[in-house]
Amino acid sequence: TQLLEQSPQFLSIQEGENLTVYCNSSSVFSSLQWYRQEPGEGPVLLVTVVTGGEVKKLKRLTFQFGDARKDSSLHITAAQPGDTGLYLCAGAAGYAGGTSYGKLTFGQGTILTVHP
Amino acid sequence: SAVISQKPSRDICQRGTSLTIQCQVDSQVTMMFWYRQQPGQSLTLIATANQGSEATYESGFVIDKFPISRPNLTFSTLTVSNMSPEDSSIYLCSVDRDRNNYGYTFGSGTRLTVV
Repeated sequence: TQLLEQSPQFLSIQEGENLTVYCNSSSVFSSLQWYRQEPGEGPVLLVTVVTGGEVKKLKRLTFQFGDARKDSSLHITAAQPGDTGLYLCAGAAGYAGGTSYGKLTFGQGTILTVHP
Repeated sequence: SAVISQKPSRDICQRGTSLTIQCQVDSQVTMMFWYRQQPGQSLTLIATANQGSEATYESGFVIDKFPISRPNLTFSTLTVSNMSPEDSSIYLCSVDRDRNNYGYTFGSGTRLTVV
Protein backbone atom coordinates (compact mmCIF):
# COMPACT_ATOMS: atom_id res chain seq x y z
CA THR A 1 0.00 0.00 0.00
CA GLN A 2 1.41 3.35 -1.01
CA LEU A 3 1.30 6.16 1.53
CA LEU A 4 1.82 9.87 1.02
CA GLU A 5 2.59 11.89 4.13
CA GLN A 6 1.61 15.54 3.76
CA SER A 7 2.60 18.24 6.20
CA PRO A 8 1.73 20.46 7.83
CA GLN A 9 -1.94 19.59 8.27
CA PHE A 10 -2.88 23.14 9.22
CA LEU A 11 -1.22 26.42 8.32
CA SER A 12 -2.41 29.83 9.47
CA ILE A 13 -0.34 32.77 8.28
CA GLN A 14 -0.51 36.48 7.60
CA GLU A 15 -0.78 37.97 4.15
CA GLY A 16 2.63 38.42 2.59
CA GLU A 17 4.31 35.50 4.33
CA ASN A 18 5.89 32.57 2.54
CA LEU A 19 5.03 28.93 3.17
CA THR A 20 5.98 25.43 2.09
CA VAL A 21 3.90 22.26 2.07
CA TYR A 22 5.61 18.89 1.87
CA CYS A 23 4.58 15.48 0.60
CA ASN A 24 6.79 12.50 1.30
CA SER A 25 6.58 8.81 0.53
CA SER A 26 8.72 5.72 0.49
CA SER A 27 7.17 4.81 -2.86
CA VAL A 28 8.07 5.99 -6.33
CA PHE A 29 5.32 7.71 -8.29
CA SER A 30 5.03 8.19 -12.03
CA SER A 31 3.72 11.68 -11.37
CA LEU A 32 2.84 13.88 -8.42
CA GLN A 33 -0.25 16.04 -8.74
CA TRP A 34 -1.22 19.04 -6.64
CA TYR A 35 -4.86 20.00 -6.18
CA ARG A 36 -6.69 22.78 -4.41
CA GLN A 37 -10.16 22.20 -3.00
CA GLU A 38 -12.65 24.87 -1.98
CA PRO A 39 -15.58 24.10 0.35
CA GLY A 40 -18.45 22.50 -1.54
CA GLU A 41 -16.32 21.79 -4.58
CA GLY A 42 -14.18 18.96 -5.87
CA PRO A 43 -10.39 19.21 -6.05
CA VAL A 44 -9.04 21.28 -8.93
CA LEU A 45 -5.71 20.36 -10.50
CA LEU A 46 -2.99 22.99 -10.03
CA VAL A 47 0.00 21.24 -11.54
CA THR A 48 1.53 17.87 -12.31
CA VAL A 49 5.22 17.10 -11.96
CA VAL A 50 6.53 14.09 -13.81
CA THR A 51 10.31 14.12 -14.02
CA GLY A 52 12.60 13.70 -11.01
CA GLY A 53 14.00 17.08 -10.00
CA GLU A 54 11.38 18.95 -12.00
CA VAL A 55 10.40 22.44 -10.89
CA LYS A 56 7.23 24.14 -12.10
CA LYS A 57 6.05 27.64 -11.36
CA LEU A 58 2.49 28.89 -11.39
CA LYS A 59 2.60 32.62 -10.59
CA ARG A 60 3.53 32.72 -6.88
CA LEU A 61 3.40 28.94 -6.49
CA THR A 62 6.48 26.78 -7.03
CA PHE A 63 6.21 23.01 -7.21
CA GLN A 64 9.14 20.63 -7.01
CA PHE A 65 9.41 16.88 -7.56
CA GLY A 66 12.18 15.06 -5.72
CA ASP A 67 15.00 13.50 -7.70
CA ALA A 68 13.85 10.01 -6.75
CA ARG A 69 10.19 10.85 -7.49
CA LYS A 70 9.17 10.00 -3.94
CA ASP A 71 8.54 13.47 -2.57
CA SER A 72 7.30 16.88 -3.61
CA SER A 73 6.89 20.37 -2.21
CA LEU A 74 4.66 23.35 -2.83
CA HIS A 75 6.05 26.77 -1.99
CA ILE A 76 3.86 29.87 -1.98
CA THR A 77 5.54 33.26 -2.02
CA ALA A 78 3.82 36.29 -0.53
CA ALA A 79 0.61 34.47 0.32
CA GLN A 80 -2.68 36.26 -0.22
CA PRO A 81 -6.12 35.68 1.34
CA GLY A 82 -7.24 34.25 -2.01
CA ASP A 83 -4.79 31.39 -1.48
CA THR A 84 -6.89 30.12 1.42
CA GLY A 85 -8.10 26.57 0.87
CA LEU A 86 -7.32 22.88 1.15
CA TYR A 87 -4.21 21.78 -0.74
CA LEU A 88 -3.84 18.12 -1.64
CA CYS A 89 -0.96 16.22 -3.13
CA ALA A 90 -1.69 13.01 -4.99
CA GLY A 91 0.70 10.41 -6.31
CA ALA A 92 -0.08 8.47 -9.46
CA ALA A 93 1.35 4.99 -9.90
CA GLY A 94 1.75 3.44 -13.28
CA TYR A 95 0.67 4.88 -16.58
CA ALA A 96 -2.48 5.25 -18.64
CA GLY A 97 -3.87 1.82 -19.40
CA GLY A 98 -1.79 0.04 -16.79
CA THR A 99 -3.09 -1.92 -13.84
CA SER A 100 -2.55 1.00 -11.46
CA TYR A 101 -4.14 3.54 -13.77
CA GLY A 102 -6.27 6.09 -11.97
CA LYS A 103 -5.38 4.90 -8.49
CA LEU A 104 -4.29 8.16 -6.97
CA THR A 105 -2.85 8.12 -3.48
CA PHE A 106 -3.76 11.34 -1.73
CA GLY A 107 -1.93 13.04 1.09
CA GLN A 108 -3.88 14.06 4.18
CA GLY A 109 -4.24 17.62 2.92
CA THR A 110 -3.10 21.01 4.21
CA ILE A 111 -5.72 23.52 5.28
CA LEU A 112 -4.21 26.93 4.57
CA THR A 113 -5.67 30.10 6.02
CA VAL A 114 -4.17 33.42 4.98
CA HIS A 115 -5.26 36.35 7.14
CA PRO A 116 -5.43 39.85 5.64
CA SER B 1 -10.66 18.88 -20.29
CA ALA B 2 -13.92 17.20 -19.36
CA VAL B 3 -16.67 18.83 -17.35
CA ILE B 4 -18.51 16.71 -14.78
CA SER B 5 -21.99 17.31 -13.45
CA GLN B 6 -22.59 15.51 -10.18
CA LYS B 7 -25.85 15.30 -8.28
CA PRO B 8 -27.24 15.58 -5.75
CA SER B 9 -24.88 18.12 -4.24
CA ARG B 10 -26.00 17.15 -0.76
CA ASP B 11 -28.53 14.99 1.01
CA ILE B 12 -29.60 14.01 4.48
CA CYS B 13 -30.71 10.39 4.67
CA GLN B 14 -32.15 8.05 7.26
CA ARG B 15 -30.05 5.10 8.34
CA GLY B 16 -30.92 1.89 6.54
CA THR B 17 -31.87 3.64 3.31
CA SER B 18 -29.91 3.96 0.06
CA LEU B 19 -28.80 6.94 -2.00
CA THR B 20 -27.79 6.96 -5.65
CA ILE B 21 -25.28 9.56 -6.81
CA GLN B 22 -25.04 10.44 -10.49
CA CYS B 23 -22.13 11.74 -12.54
CA GLN B 24 -22.53 12.98 -16.09
CA VAL B 25 -19.45 13.81 -18.19
CA ASP B 26 -19.60 16.09 -21.21
CA SER B 27 -17.35 13.80 -23.26
CA GLN B 28 -16.83 10.07 -23.64
CA VAL B 29 -14.38 8.54 -21.20
CA THR B 30 -13.35 4.94 -20.76
CA MET B 31 -12.89 4.97 -17.02
CA MET B 32 -14.55 6.86 -14.22
CA PHE B 33 -13.36 6.85 -10.63
CA TRP B 34 -15.34 7.16 -7.41
CA TYR B 35 -13.79 8.57 -4.23
CA ARG B 36 -14.88 9.09 -0.65
CA GLN B 37 -13.73 12.02 1.47
CA GLN B 38 -14.59 11.52 5.11
CA PRO B 39 -14.95 14.58 7.36
CA GLY B 40 -11.57 16.19 7.90
CA GLN B 41 -9.80 13.54 5.89
CA SER B 42 -8.37 13.11 2.44
CA LEU B 43 -9.73 11.25 -0.57
CA THR B 44 -9.85 7.48 -0.76
CA LEU B 45 -10.55 5.62 -3.99
CA ILE B 46 -13.67 3.45 -3.77
CA ALA B 47 -13.75 1.88 -7.21
CA THR B 48 -13.01 2.24 -10.89
CA ALA B 49 -15.95 2.04 -13.29
CA ASN B 50 -15.40 0.79 -16.83
CA GLN B 51 -18.14 0.88 -19.39
CA GLY B 52 -19.32 -2.60 -20.22
CA SER B 53 -17.68 -4.43 -17.34
CA GLU B 54 -17.95 -4.83 -13.59
CA ALA B 55 -16.46 -2.09 -11.48
CA THR B 56 -13.16 -2.78 -9.75
CA TYR B 57 -13.28 -2.12 -6.02
CA GLU B 58 -10.43 -1.13 -3.73
CA SER B 59 -9.64 -2.93 -0.52
CA GLY B 60 -12.27 -2.19 2.11
CA PHE B 61 -15.06 -1.46 -0.35
CA VAL B 62 -17.53 -4.07 -1.61
CA ILE B 63 -20.08 -4.15 -4.38
CA ASP B 64 -23.01 -4.95 -2.08
CA LYS B 65 -22.40 -1.74 -0.16
CA PHE B 66 -21.39 0.48 -3.08
CA PRO B 67 -22.95 -0.83 -6.29
CA ILE B 68 -21.85 1.07 -9.37
CA SER B 69 -23.43 1.32 -12.78
CA ARG B 70 -21.74 2.47 -15.98
CA PRO B 71 -24.35 2.20 -18.73
CA ASN B 72 -22.44 4.29 -21.28
CA LEU B 73 -19.24 6.28 -21.79
CA THR B 74 -20.57 9.52 -20.30
CA PHE B 75 -22.50 8.44 -17.23
CA SER B 76 -22.04 6.53 -13.98
CA THR B 77 -23.87 6.09 -10.70
CA LEU B 78 -22.69 5.11 -7.24
CA THR B 79 -25.22 3.83 -4.73
CA VAL B 80 -24.52 3.92 -1.02
CA SER B 81 -26.63 1.08 0.37
CA ASN B 82 -28.07 0.36 3.80
CA MET B 83 -26.55 3.56 5.11
CA SER B 84 -25.24 4.13 8.62
CA PRO B 85 -23.89 7.34 10.18
CA GLU B 86 -20.37 6.11 9.35
CA ASP B 87 -21.21 6.59 5.66
CA SER B 88 -21.50 10.34 6.18
CA SER B 89 -18.89 11.68 3.79
CA ILE B 90 -18.37 13.56 0.59
CA TYR B 91 -18.50 11.31 -2.46
CA LEU B 92 -16.78 12.42 -5.64
CA CYS B 93 -16.42 11.09 -9.16
CA SER B 94 -13.48 11.87 -11.39
CA VAL B 95 -12.11 11.30 -14.87
CA ASP B 96 -8.65 11.49 -16.38
CA ARG B 97 -8.36 14.95 -17.95
CA ASP B 98 -6.16 14.06 -20.88
CA ARG B 99 -6.16 10.26 -20.65
CA ASN B 100 -2.50 10.18 -19.63
CA ASN B 101 -2.74 9.75 -15.84
CA TYR B 102 -1.28 13.23 -15.37
CA GLY B 103 -4.28 14.93 -13.85
CA TYR B 104 -7.91 14.37 -13.03
CA THR B 105 -11.12 16.38 -13.18
CA PHE B 106 -13.46 15.94 -10.24
CA GLY B 107 -17.15 16.45 -9.83
CA SER B 108 -18.27 18.97 -7.25
CA GLY B 109 -19.06 16.20 -4.80
CA THR B 110 -22.11 14.91 -2.93
CA ARG B 111 -22.16 15.73 0.77
CA LEU B 112 -24.03 12.90 2.46
CA THR B 113 -25.24 13.03 6.04
CA VAL B 114 -26.80 9.92 7.53
CA VAL B 115 -28.97 10.40 10.60
